Amino acid sequence: DAGITQSPRHKVTETGTPVTLRCHQTENHRYMYWYRQDPGHGLRLIHYSYGVKDTDKGEVSDGYSVSRSKTEDFLLTLESATSSQTSVYFCAVGTVNTYEQYFGPGTRLTVT
Amino acid sequence: QQPVQSPQAVILREGEDAVINCSSSKALYSVHWYRQKHGEAPVFLMILLKGGEQKGHEKISASFNEKKQQSSLYLTASQLSYSGTYFCGTDSGGATNKLIFGTGTLLAVQP
Repeated sequence: DAGITQSPRHKVTETGTPVTLRCHQTENHRYMYWYRQDPGHGLRLIHYSYGVKDTDKGEVSDGYSVSRSKTEDFLLTLESATSSQTSVYFCAVGTVNTYEQYFGPGTRLTVT
Repeated sequence: QQPVQSPQAVILREGEDAVINCSSSKALYSVHWYRQKHGEAPVFLMILLKGGEQKGHEKISASFNEKKQQSSLYLTASQLSYSGTYFCGTDSGGATNKLIFGTGTLLAVQP
């Protein structure tokens, strides 16, 4: 357990509404990542952070933005949710020396 | 580009062995292996760094051939607890440890 929590754990929202998912860690890891998981696609990187206020895009970043104002929190925002963003979202943290990534419990998001 | 995993699915009896392969079209610095049980988060198994070192974790081991840009995960004497989906994640270098994951291999171990 790497001390990672995600909130909310489940959310149903309507098309066109903004949504923010939160990832919180307690162990001061430098790297944080947001992935989405869909059947047939595995895990795909949305955005990642390599420090406070330092973020970059991943493979599937269109329609998403992130912010990291504190080491412990990494927020993912869907600016205007679409049905194609219905997915399970996982946050992960990465260790500096050993390169391992540890995942949070996930958020199941449904956009109707 | 996502690494390719094979097979996509495999069914075993307890005690049997399995091999899961991961192949990338890009030069790799490291390969990571994760297991995910249904409804849960992926769990880190092991990492193999450039250099071809073979690593082990209980009865699960892996190899990494950097020249061929391939890694293989070996599960010996499988147990019911090994059931799940296995993902490889590849890192082509850089300081951010950014991983590209394969689409997964579903492993089902039956009694």
